[in-house]
Amino acid sequence: NAGVMQNPRHLVRRRGQEARLRCSPMKGHSHVYWYRQLPEEGLKFMVYLQKENIIDESGMPKERFSAEFPKEGPSILRIQQVVRGDSAAYFCASSPPAMNTEAFFGQGTRLTVV
Amino acid sequence: KQEVTQIPAALSVPEGENLVLNCSFTDSAIYNLQWFRQDPGKGLTSLLLIQSSQREQTSGRLNASLDKSSGRSTLYIAASQPGDSATYLCAEGKTSYDKVIFGPGTSLSVIP
Repeated sequence: NAGVMQNPRHLVRRRGQEARLRCSPMKGHSHVYWYRQLPEEGLKFMVYLQKENIIDESGMPKERFSAEFPKEGPSILRIQQVVRGDSAAYFCASSPPAMNTEAFFGQGTRLTVV
Repeated sequence: KQEVTQIPAALSVPEGENLVLNCSFTDSAIYNLQWFRQDPGKGLTSLLLIQSSQREQTSGRLNASLDKSSGRSTLYIAASQPGDSATYLCAEGKTSYDKVIFGPGTSLSVIP
């Protein structure tokens, strides 16, 4: 059972381009969480998704950011018209639909906006 | 508002010392508390998970405790090694399905 897989591991985008970050949860996991770690800052929650549903997006910036977790395929965090302030490490975590479980984290995608 | 803090922000110890990292949280309705390790430029490695009904968890040289009444958790590392150098994050979960709130981390350096 592979862990949470994120790709790409590193992504460079020019200002104004779009960034698409992918997260494949562990097998059997139907809950996905996205977190962002800005340089010199802690990890901040962005969004929590279940299959085809956004459950909690209270940490998502109001503009340019969106997330989805389709019935088939990975979860996608999409950032439109990237700016330098979007440069950060983006981590995905997944957990199974059961009580008393922990979330497992991927290795992260490091986005650099130039 | 959920808030998680960690003290100290940075710690440097000689190899072989025992050490304690502290984590405080404000939400008494905690569901679980998790300790992670993050190496520079790397992802997160889960170390220990303590459910709200538990007092402590142990894994090898690591022991984590949870005191809900005081809103504190500690991570005890015995016989520290240079390979333990990393940032240690505690994270509070309010429900098993909810988002996890991270502390700012403690940066640990173990000097050979």
